[in-house]
Amino acid sequence: DAKTTQPPSMDCAEGRAANLPCNHSTISGNEYVYWYRQIHSQGPQYIIHGLKNNETNEMASLIITEDRKSSTLILPHATLRDTAVYYCIVRVRIQGAQKLVFGQGTRLTINP
Amino acid sequence: NAGVTQTPKFQVLKTGQSMTLQCAQDMNHEYMSWYRQDPGMGLRLIHYSVGAGITDQGEVPNGYNVSRSTTEDFPLRLLSAAPSQTSVYFCASSNRLFGLAGAKGETQYFGPGTRLLVL
Repeated sequence: DAKTTQPPSMDCAEGRAANLPCNHSTISGNEYVYWYRQIHSQGPQYIIHGLKNNETNEMASLIITEDRKSSTLILPHATLRDTAVYYCIVRVRIQGAQKLVFGQGTRLTINP
Repeated sequence: NAGVTQTPKFQVLKTGQSMTLQCAQDMNHEYMSWYRQDPGMGLRLIHYSVGAGITDQGEVPNGYNVSRSTTEDFPLRLLSAAPSQTSVYFCASSNRLFGLAGAKGETQYFGPGTRLLVL
């Protein structure tokens, strides 16, 4: 089952682009990559997901490598409110059923 | 829409007490889930439901019971609280199981959480 690896923490200056990497070297061909974030003490919030092609929405961009073994979440103009833990997630089979498992994520700190 | 709501926001229990954490959603989602989050860790799935009357276990189901009598509500019951159940509990809902892809909009929506302290 696919799992993800993320750096435990990152810093970024306010107004700059924040690039959060994720490795998912065992991902299967039909599995999506999801990104959620969790701002302190709140419930996780969906950001974006993708399969093969790069994706963009109002919150972020997702760049997936051609071999699909890694991806990068890009927050183009980070603000202080983007300080959060960011989770890169793929499906994991637990007790015979596919589920999304949240690892420890990357704690992103946006500095003024 | 209120989205996913959880009550209470905070609760203190003594070991052995029972209580029910409430979760409700007004988005007519079929799928609902309960997670717990311990300090410095990601979320772990406790129980989930694929529709009214149907529930199943997640990764860490021991010590918790659930039921789903309506589409809107998915309460989590602690029958005999233990200090190991001190955690933050999140409820989530979606119109695909765990928000698995996947057109846009078919993601999981999480509630604000319930902080539980068991003494």
